[in-house]
Amino acid sequence: KAGVTQTPRYLIKTRGQQVTLSCSPISGHRSVSWYQQTPGQGLQFLFEYFSETQRNKGNFPGRFSGRQFSNSRSEMNVSTLELGDSALYLCASSTRHRGASTDTQYFGPGTRLTVL
Amino acid sequence: GQQLNQSPQSMFIQEGEDVSMNCTSSSIFNTWLWYKQDPGEGPVLLIALYKAGELTSNGRLTAQFGITRKDSFLNISASIPSDVGIYFCAGLPSSGSARQLTFGSGTQLTVLP
Repeated sequence: KAGVTQTPRYLIKTRGQQVTLSCSPISGHRSVSWYQQTPGQGLQFLFEYFSETQRNKGNFPGRFSGRQFSNSRSEMNVSTLELGDSALYLCASSTRHRGASTDTQYFGPGTRLTVL
Repeated sequence: GQQLNQSPQSMFIQEGEDVSMNCTSSSIFNTWLWYKQDPGEGPVLLIALYKAGELTSNGRLTAQFGITRKDSFLNISASIPSDVGIYFCAGLPSSGSARQLTFGSGTQLTVLP
C-alpha cells in the first residue's frame, strides 16, 4: 500500500506571495491532518480534514487554510507569506473510524517551504 | 494547553548500548505514539500504544503506555548506527473529538561507533 505523498517536496517563495501544498493520503484513509515543524516551535497542529470538512483547527492565523476533496486528497494554502512561515509542512493520514477514540496517524515526507 | 515533556533532549551513546527516553504529560491521553524522524523526512511511526499499562515491542524497540495515562517510555536495545535520528513521542487526547497530536520536543540520538 503506498504511503502518504506530498507535493512539492521543496518550495521557495518570497514574502507576500501565497502557496498551495498538496497531500494524498494512504488509500482508504479519510482523515488528513496538517502540521508545521520548525526548529523553534517543534511540531504544531494546523488543522484536520475529514469527509471534506475541517474538523479541528490549531492556533494559527487565518492566512493558513485548507480543503479536502472527495477522494480525500487535501491541499493547504498559506496566503501573504511571512518569513516566519518557513518550515517543514507535514501531512498525516488516518482512518478515523467512527466512534473510535484511538487513531494512528501516518506522515508524509513533508514539503520544505522557504520564504525569502 | 496540553504539553508533553520529553527527555532527554539529546543522547550520545556507544553502539551496542541500550537507550531509554520518556514523555510525561500534564493531562491524560488515549493514545501514545512514538515516531522517528530522519533529516528532511517526515516522522515514521515506530510503535502505537492504545491502553494504559500496555507494553509493546517492535524488534529492538519497546514502549509502554503509563498506568496513569500521562506518560510513556521508549527503550531501544543494542543500538546500531542506523538508530541515529530524532525520536518524538506524541499523544492523542482523551477528551471530545479533538484529533490533533501533541508532540514532545524530541530526543536527538547519536550512536557512536
